[in-house]
Amino acid sequence: EAGVAQSPRYKIIEKRQSVAFWCNPISGHATLYWYQQILGQGPKLLIQFQNNGVVDDSQLPKDRFSAERLKGVDSTLKIQPAKLEDSAVYLCASSPRTGEASYEQYFGPGTRLTVT
Amino acid sequence: AQSVTQLGSHVSVSEGALVLLRCNYSSSVPPYLFWYVQYPNQGLQLLLKYTSAATLVKGINGFEAEFKKSETSFHLTKPSAHMSDAAEYFCAVSGWNSNYQLIWGAGTKLIIKP
Repeated sequence: EAGVAQSPRYKIIEKRQSVAFWCNPISGHATLYWYQQILGQGPKLLIQFQNNGVVDDSQLPKDRFSAERLKGVDSTLKIQPAKLEDSAVYLCASSPRTGEASYEQYFGPGTRLTVT
Repeated sequence: AQSVTQLGSHVSVSEGALVLLRCNYSSSVPPYLFWYVQYPNQGLQLLLKYTSAATLVKGINGFEAEFKKSETSFHLTKPSAHMSDAAEYFCAVSGWNSNYQLIWGAGTKLIIKP
């Protein structure tokens, strides 16, 4: 079974530029999460999708961050314009929507963003 | 509010020694508990999980954890550390809301001394 795919793996941009990250979840997984992980901290949930609908985006800085999940499969996370404090690893995770397995999340390798 | 506390941002042990990483949680409902491992420049990998079955849970790579409700703890152990265990370990709790979201600890970096 293929895992969660993310691209790019690394990205360096200047502040005020825009950037986009892509995630392809495990086939059949209905739930998709985007996290921000700052160095030395645990992941922080940015947005949660159930199929192509948003379940929770309460911690997404909507003035600069946006995310979509077209057709309930792939997802993109965009930052525009980027700030220095956005430097972090952006993790995508997916989860099946079936009973206790719904609690288990499978993670992609992450995208390390550096804003200069 | 729900929270997860991991004692010690860094833990250093000698190769072959016991590994003990501590995790305490606060939860007003029966929790689901997880330990994830993160190797450098990689995503998070599930080590083991507690989902209300046996209180002693065995995971991958020789790790295990014991759920102790009276102590609200879920400490991770391994009898004998290996150099390849050097990584960051995160404890997480779920089951506190209907969205299956995880609340994460801040992580513990495990350092293995030769």
